[in-house]
Formats: sequence, structure tokens, C-alpha cells
Amino acid sequence: NAGVTQTPKFRILKIGQSMTLQCTQDMNHNYMYWYRQDPGMGLKLIYYSVGAGITDKGEVPNGYNVSRSTTEDFPLRLELAAPSQTSVYFCASSLNWGSTDTQYFGPGTRLTVL
Amino acid sequence: KQEVTQIPAALSVPEGENLVLNCSFTDSAIYNLQWFRQDPGKGLTSLLLIQSSQREQTSGRLNASLDKSSGRSTLYIAASQPGDSATYLCAVKDSNYQLIWGAGTKLIIKP
Repeated sequence: NAGVTQTPKFRILKIGQSMTLQCTQDMNHNYMYWYRQDPGMGLKLIYYSVGAGITDKGEVPNGYNVSRSTTEDFPLRLELAAPSQTSVYFCASSLNWGSTDTQYFGPGTRLTVL
Repeated sequence: KQEVTQIPAALSVPEGENLVLNCSFTDSAIYNLQWFRQDPGKGLTSLLLIQSSQREQTSGRLNASLDKSSGRSTLYIAASQPGDSATYLCAVKDSNYQLIWGAGTKLIIKP
């Protein structure tokens, strides 16, 4: 199992550009998540999905969009990139939502917006 | 609103020492508390998960405790090794089933 994979690893965007961060998991997990981590801060939840076709907003959804057409894939779309979106983005997945379920993380995408 | 704080932000100790990392949270209504390890350029790895009804969990040289009433957890690392150098993150699963994260403690173990 590859676990959770993310592409690209690094990306530099100009203000106003758009891009999609890819996330794939091969563990047949129901739940998937997108977080951002700013320097010296904890992770913040952007969006999450409880299954194919179902997504919901997290704490910091503005400026982002997601879709979940399959169990495996959960891409994150940035429209009109802004410097405030410079961050490290992590995708994660978990089998279920319960108190015993932990999340498995991808290696992250470091995004810089100039 | 749940807030999670980790102190210290950074810690450097000689190899072989036992050490304690601290995590505090403001709302005791949690489902669990988890400790993760983050290595540079890599994702986060779950170390220990303590359910709200439990007091502690152990895995090898790691022991995590939970005192829900006081809003505190500690991660104890025994006989530290250079390979333990990493950032350790604490997260609580709140009443909305979302993880609320601390900023982490960056640990350096000196050979």
C-alpha cells in the first residue's frame, strides 16, 4: 500500500493563478481531509469528505474548492491564488469518524504564492 | 472554542535522557487525544491515541497520559535517541468530531 499520496511536492504560483492539489489514498478509507499548516501553527481543516459525492467545509474553506468523485481521490482546487494561501497542505484519510479512528497523512505540498 | 497549546515550542536534550512533552486543551468535551510525529518533508504519523475514557496509552518507549478534567496530556519519551528528533503534535477530537491541533514541540536529541 502506498497509503496517501500527494502531488506536487512543491509549487510556486503567481497571484491570481489557479491550481489543483492532488490527493489519492489506496486504503479504501471513507473519510478524507485537507489541512493547511502555516509556520509555527497547528493544522487547520479546510474541507473534508465522508464519502464519494459528499464534502463539507472545515474551519478555513474560503478560497478553496473540493470534489470527491471516487473513494480514492480528493483534489483541492485553489482559485485566484493569494499570498495568504502560502502554506503547506496536507491530505489525510481515515476509515471512519469514530473516537478510535486515527488519520493517515500524505507527505504534503509546499505552496508559495508570489 | 477549543484551543490546544503545546509547551515548550522547542526542546533540546542529550541522548539517553527521559523527557516529557506537554499539551493542554481548554474544553474537556473531547472524544480522544492523539499524539503525532512530524518529520521534515514527510507527513504526520500517529503515535498514540487516548480515548476520552482512558487515562494512558503506551507504545514502546512512549507513554501518553490524559487528564480530561484538568485539560492536560503529557507524552513521556524514555531513553531518548537521536532518531526521536522530530516535531511532536498533539490534537484533540472535539465535540464536532474534528481534530483541533496544537502548534507542536520541536524536539532535538543531541548525540
